[in-house]
Amino acid sequence: DTEVTQTPKHLVMGMTNKKSLKCEQHMGHRAMYWYKQKAKKPPELMFVYSYEKLSINESVPSRFSPECPNSSLLNLHLHALQPEDSALYLCASSHHGWGGGVLEQGRSNTEAFFGQGTRLTVV
Amino acid sequence: DQQVKQNSPSLSVQEGRISILNCDYTNSMFDYFLWYKKYPAEGPTFLISISSIKDKNEDGRFTVFLNKSAKHLSLHIVPSQPGDSAVYFCAASATPPGTYKYIFGTGTRLKVLA
Repeated sequence: DTEVTQTPKHLVMGMTNKKSLKCEQHMGHRAMYWYKQKAKKPPELMFVYSYEKLSINESVPSRFSPECPNSSLLNLHLHALQPEDSALYLCASSHHGWGGGVLEQGRSNTEAFFGQGTRLTVV
Repeated sequence: DQQVKQNSPSLSVQEGRISILNCDYTNSMFDYFLWYKKYPAEGPTFLISISSIKDKNEDGRFTVFLNKSAKHLSLHIVPSQPGDSAVYFCAASATPPGTYKYIFGTGTRLKVLA
């Protein structure tokens, strides 16, 4: 099973709404990611969780709030978004992450697997 | 500052011929490289990867070559098929003592003509 499941597939929200994007994987991966992709641009990293702890925040505005309730789930809470935040939001997971300061040994299977994305439109 | 670049935004190839997609990077700390295929409004699909300890990796019709001194990698698809038509992204990651993160190139749209 190499599946990362994202819900919803499409979301339209107003600028005053609060909504959440959800991501789930059951591959035992301990690193999970949120990427944002605008049309004709590459995916841009937003957040990385490693062992359920936020390890990278790429200077993302606070109107985006990530949450990792457990090793299989990753949420992205949205509040007071702007129309320019409309994009495809991609979740990914991979085997490796940071565990208490110990660098994991071995680099096989370090590819990230992506979900199908949530197409977000802010009106 | 784009650390991973794909200088050809598009490429057209005849069915059955070889497709060569190129990728350049600037960060010498990158030590793991991946190629992804992407259809519109879908997530990227992993194709093939290569570690910096190798200079070539093959998987079926896909071969990735890495030239560390030139900071360049390429994806060869042979023979090309119409179903290969998609946007291809290369991605790179580094291994600091910590979490990996994947930086994507700008993408190349491949069109395989029947």
